[in-house]
Order: sequence, then structure tokens, then C-alpha cells
Amino acid sequence: AQSVAQPEDQVNVAEGNPLTVKCTYSVSGNPYLFWYVQYPNRGLQFLLKYITGDNLVKGSYGFEAEFNKSQTSFHLKKPSALVSDSALYFCAVRPDTGRRALTFGSGTRLQVQP
Amino acid sequence: GAGVSQSPSNKVTEKGKDVELRCDPISGHTALYWYRQRLGQGLEFLIYFQGNSAPDKSGLPSDRFSAERTGESVSTLTIQRTQQEDSAVYLCASSLVGAVSSYEQYFGPGTRLTVT
Repeated sequence: AQSVAQPEDQVNVAEGNPLTVKCTYSVSGNPYLFWYVQYPNRGLQFLLKYITGDNLVKGSYGFEAEFNKSQTSFHLKKPSALVSDSALYFCAVRPDTGRRALTFGSGTRLQVQP
Repeated sequence: GAGVSQSPSNKVTEKGKDVELRCDPISGHTALYWYRQRLGQGLEFLIYFQGNSAPDKSGLPSDRFSAERTGESVSTLTIQRTQQEDSAVYLCASSLVGAVSSYEQYFGPGTRLTVT
């Protein structure tokens, strides 16, 4: 069975500062990893994914994430936070073979202060 | 093109009643997923459809939950004899299958179900 841990319920950062939202995972086989963002009263939006290749993946809105196999982590990062980045962020994983459904973390609320 | 659509957007029902939720996936997406999101929590997988294959029902929490999909289009999720613990946002997602670009799932806006 797979699992995702997002150890921080909330991350607070000042606008213009770098941000990191942490994610660790457990899965059998090779992981496919995803980050989604949820704005209030809106559905989940895909941000980025790691399937294979470069460990650093770039996605929408200036976000990037680094896959670290030895630490089983996939932390989300952005060099300079914007107030508009404030939202709920979910990390998700699925194995490369077998069940295609995603297993999600519990979410991290990012609050960017002006 | 149009995204995933779901209806109704909100549903309030009395305990014990049956409800039916609808999902229209993105045209051409052969895979369809249902998830449940309880207040303040992450998403829980419910069921997955892929083409004509038997659906993966491993996430359905009880036999009160069932889902159908007509070909590669509309899906309905039915909850019978609703209980208060069924209150949640029910999210539908669809994806392509067979190419690297297919791995991400595209989500609908959800149906907020409240059981009173």
C-alpha cells in the first residue's frame, strides 16, 4: 500500500521569500509523484509531476519540486512567494505499475503574508 | 476545451435517502476516477474506470456506494441510505491513458454533499 505524508498543516512565508512545502511518500516500485493546488471553492489544479528523468521538475506558476529517491521525498518549492500563492497544496503518489488511482497527503495550507 | 464537469454542485439530503452524483469527463479521456474529500482532509480514492475493463472498486467504503459509467463518457456515483458520515465533497477526475502526458488527472469542481 502507498502513503503520503505532509508533515506541516500550515506553512507561513512572507511575500518575496522562498517557500518549501514538504512531502514524503511510501510506494512499492517506482513512484509517480504529483503536486496539486486547491483554491477556495475551486477544484484541484495540477501543478507538476515527476515520472522519470531529471530529479528537479518545473511546473505551473513558477513552482518546482525535487525528487529525492533516497529520502523518499518530493518537496515543493518556489524561489519567491506571492500572496496569490496562498492556497491548499496536496502531494500525491501512485506506483508505476498497478493501481492508477492517486494516494493523497492530507494537504498543507500555504499562507503568504504581504 | 471543456474541463471535467460535475452536478449538482451542492446537495443537501436527509439521512436515509439515496443520492446520485454525476460526472462528465473531458472528451477523449478514457480513465475516470471518483474521490471523496472530507472536511479538512486529503482525498480518498473511491473507484476507477478505464475503458471496458472491470472497474477498480477497492476504495468504496461500503456496499451503499456504487458507480456506473456509460462507455467512455458520463459516470454516476450513487450512495444509498445516506449517513451523516457520507457528508463530504465528492470529486471526479479524468485522464488519458497510454502516453506520458496522460499521467496527470484533471479534476472537476466537486459536489458538496451534506447529509442532515
